[in-house]
Parts: sequence; structure tokens; C-alpha cells
Amino acid sequence: QSVLTQPPSVSGAPGQRVTISCTGSSSNIGSVFDVHWYQQLPGTAPKLLIYGNNNRPSGVPDRFSASKSGTSASLAITGLQAEDEADYYCQSYDSNLSGSVFGGGTKLTVL
Amino acid sequence: QVQLQESGPGLVKPSQTLSLTCTVSGGSLSSGGYYWSWIRHHPGKGLEWIGYIYYSATTSYNPSLKSRVTISVDTSKNQFSLRLSSVTAADTAVYYCARGGSFSSYGIDYWGQGTLVTVSS
Repeated sequence: QSVLTQPPSVSGAPGQRVTISCTGSSSNIGSVFDVHWYQQLPGTAPKLLIYGNNNRPSGVPDRFSASKSGTSASLAITGLQAEDEADYYCQSYDSNLSGSVFGGGTKLTVL
Repeated sequence: QVQLQESGPGLVKPSQTLSLTCTVSGGSLSSGGYYWSWIRHHPGKGLEWIGYIYYSATTSYNPSLKSRVTISVDTSKNQFSLRLSSVTAADTAVYYCARGGSFSSYGIDYWGQGTLVTVSS
């Protein structure tokens, strides 16, 4: 059972927009701690997709965006492409655990 | 460009100790400013943070693993290491070393390629 809750799967057709939610609590997302998002393609290491709630590292397309509100966060992907098919994870810091926490991951399928 | 590379046995017997080392290149552990983490990915499951270390040897561990985990740093070799004792089949996973994992606003920005560790007799 992950500390952060994500839907197990989402899907969308090419060109569409999808969102992935990440729900936490007052000791992590609902506190002062930032939310980060990662994309993991099959057989590869996770890649930082969004940091500090809504910032894209260099090289990440602006089709990817994210937001945080209260004890939840969400990742949005617009203009879906086949190459976006991957697992997506949210991550934050938890003051009760004094360490990082991850969501259980969401598998994105591009129809 | 920071690069991380995990190394260590791919097969560990039950009840023994899993030992992995992460070699960092393109950046110095002793320069400070970053925490260095171990994270694992169980087959078919999500990511699990194991713990992190700072160059000063300050550590923090996942409470669920704390009794079995030790993370250490060797700044002279620019390496940090993981030891996980009394392993069982439940510890079979891909283990990643990475930069970040604390309360930083910058996330976990560099990851090793990961190494599969199987616990089996």
C-alpha cells in the first residue's frame, strides 16, 4: 500500500488529453513539500518529468504539465503520442516518515 | 553530466546480506548540496524509497526497512553503498541509486540504470 494514491491505469487516444491524479495527506503533499513526477518506460530507469510541483526539466515537452492543490496533485498530458505509453509515478516527502514517498504508479495506455 | 552506476551481486541467498555500490561520475559527492538515495522496484509493483545519505554521512531510512538497512558513503572513491541484511524473496527487485530523494524542490534528477537482485537459494 503506497503512501501516495494513484489510479492503476489511464488511457487515451492519440492527440487526446489525459490526467493522472496523486492523493496524499497533510504530512506530505498537503504540507510544504513539493510533488515530483517520473516517467518510466519498460526496462528503463525512471526519468524526472516534473519537479517542484510544476516545473519541467530541460528537454521535457510542454505537453506535460502538473499542478498541486491541497493534499492532491495531478499530471496532465496533452496531444497524446504513442511514445507517451509508460508508467508514471508521483513522489513527495513525508514528515512522519522523514523520507521520500511514491505513488503506486499509473500505467498509461495510448489506444 | 552526472552519471550513476550500480554494482554488486545479482543473486543473493535468503537470510544473507545484499550489498550494492553506486559509483558517481561527473560530480563529487563531497561537494555537498545533494542527498543520494537507494530506491527499488519490485516486479509488477511501484517504486519504494529505501533511504538516503548526505556526504557528511547523515542518513535517513524507510521505517519499514530501517532495522535491516545501512547506507554508507566513501567520498574518496565517490561512491555510496547499500547493505540490506536478512534478505528474503520479498527483497527481489531492481535496485536503483539516484541523486535526490530528500525534501528538495528538485526531485530525483539522476538515476542509475538499475541492477536486478534476485533472492533465491
